[in-house]
Amino acid sequence: GQQVMQIPQYQHVQEGEDFTTYCNSSTTLSNIQWYKQRPGGHPVFLIQLVKSGEVKKQKRLTFQFGEAKKNSSLHITATQTTDVGTYFCAGRGSGGSNYKLTFGKGTLLTVNP
Amino acid sequence: GAGVSQTPSNKVTEKGKYVELRCDPISGHTALYWYRQSLGQGPEFLIYFQGTGAADDSGLPNDRFFAVRPEGSVSTLKIQRTERGDSAVYLCASSLSSPGTSVEQYFGPGTRLTVT
Repeated sequence: GQQVMQIPQYQHVQEGEDFTTYCNSSTTLSNIQWYKQRPGGHPVFLIQLVKSGEVKKQKRLTFQFGEAKKNSSLHITATQTTDVGTYFCAGRGSGGSNYKLTFGKGTLLTVNP
Repeated sequence: GAGVSQTPSNKVTEKGKYVELRCDPISGHTALYWYRQSLGQGPEFLIYFQGTGAADDSGLPNDRFFAVRPEGSVSTLKIQRTERGDSAVYLCASSLSSPGTSVEQYFGPGTRLTVT
């Protein structure tokens, strides 16, 4: 079945440093979503990428979808303590099962003030 | 408006007991999903409802797990003969999506199930 791998598993940065998490799928995706989960909280939707090579920005966050639609990345510029949490990518397969999301294990970001 | 709600927030049960977990989705959302999240892992898909019917239950681990959504709104996840390995946070999500579309999922706060 479809597998979604995410690296790194953990990342600790000093406030103001940049952060990147990478996501790779074993199969071509129809689209990919990114979620953020604060400690003790539930996943909250950040963004969806659909087109090959798509790049989207939300303030300090930049999301990319690979040309082959099998990988994605999330980059945070100048991290802040409010960025703390686990960032998950979630891929949606193509074809008949395109409603089903497969989540990566997530990257836990901690920020030292 | 109100988000997705789940009850109970915590459930402790003994091995072998039966439990029911409830999810109340956002009003008007036709799609409802159940996930299971273990510590340090991402949400793992269990089942998807479109309206009243289970469109995909391929993620249910075994026949001890069952879910219903009789009126196309509230859903109940039922676990029979619970085992310690069932301990996890059970997340419910809803969305406006129907097969062929793809939109964000709104997650509830989850039910933390502990089987002793």
